[in-house]
Amino acid sequence: NAGVMQNPRHLVRRRGQEARLRCSPMKGHSHVYWYRQLPEEGLKFMVYLQKENIIDESGMPKERFSAEFPKEGPSILRIQQVVRGDSAAYFCASSLGTENIQYFGAGTRLSVL
Amino acid sequence: DQQVKQNSPSLSVQEGRISILNCDYTNSMFDYFLWYKKYPAEGPTFLISISSIKDKNEDGRFTVFLNKSAKHLSLHIVPSQPGDSAVYFCAAAPGTYKYIFGTGTRLKVLA
Repeated sequence: NAGVMQNPRHLVRRRGQEARLRCSPMKGHSHVYWYRQLPEEGLKFMVYLQKENIIDESGMPKERFSAEFPKEGPSILRIQQVVRGDSAAYFCASSLGTENIQYFGAGTRLSVL
Repeated sequence: DQQVKQNSPSLSVQEGRISILNCDYTNSMFDYFLWYKKYPAEGPTFLISISSIKDKNEDGRFTVFLNKSAKHLSLHIVPSQPGDSAVYFCAAAPGTYKYIFGTGTRLKVLA
């Protein structure tokens, strides 16, 4: 009865490196969402994916950020050439359908040195 | 511009009393609202939701009230327990999937 699994839980990167965050949705869920939480703020929507498709990436920065949800394997949020401002908690959620409740993973805390 | 606002960053309540957490929103087109609870180092956990066709929804100790004319909702926890100590996020779901979260209210229930 695994929930949404995210790894790693903590990720430290130096400026200019790449960060890869993984998310495995709950069993049976084919809709995946990524949110970012900056310190003292609420979660902000980044991107919504279904298998092999990006449905809505309106919340994602135009540069350096990308997301995928391949046919096999977890969803990946990739941040290239990280900067200090990328330091945040990144949460993944999944749902059965867009009308259904989103269930969240424990998040990945990215620290950029 | 914050479309969903939780103006109280923190709240302390005695065990057994009622906790009331408030949330305001700016867009009258928002039609679905949710409350999530978050413990440190964990992800948000869904608590309760309400559709704009209702003004109240209840689940055990948790009740959410929606006042559409005031664009305000509140979460009542009765009776409050120490295990309820967490950060509570209000979220609006305009349309369907793109949740808009408030900044959270940290509830501390004192034993």
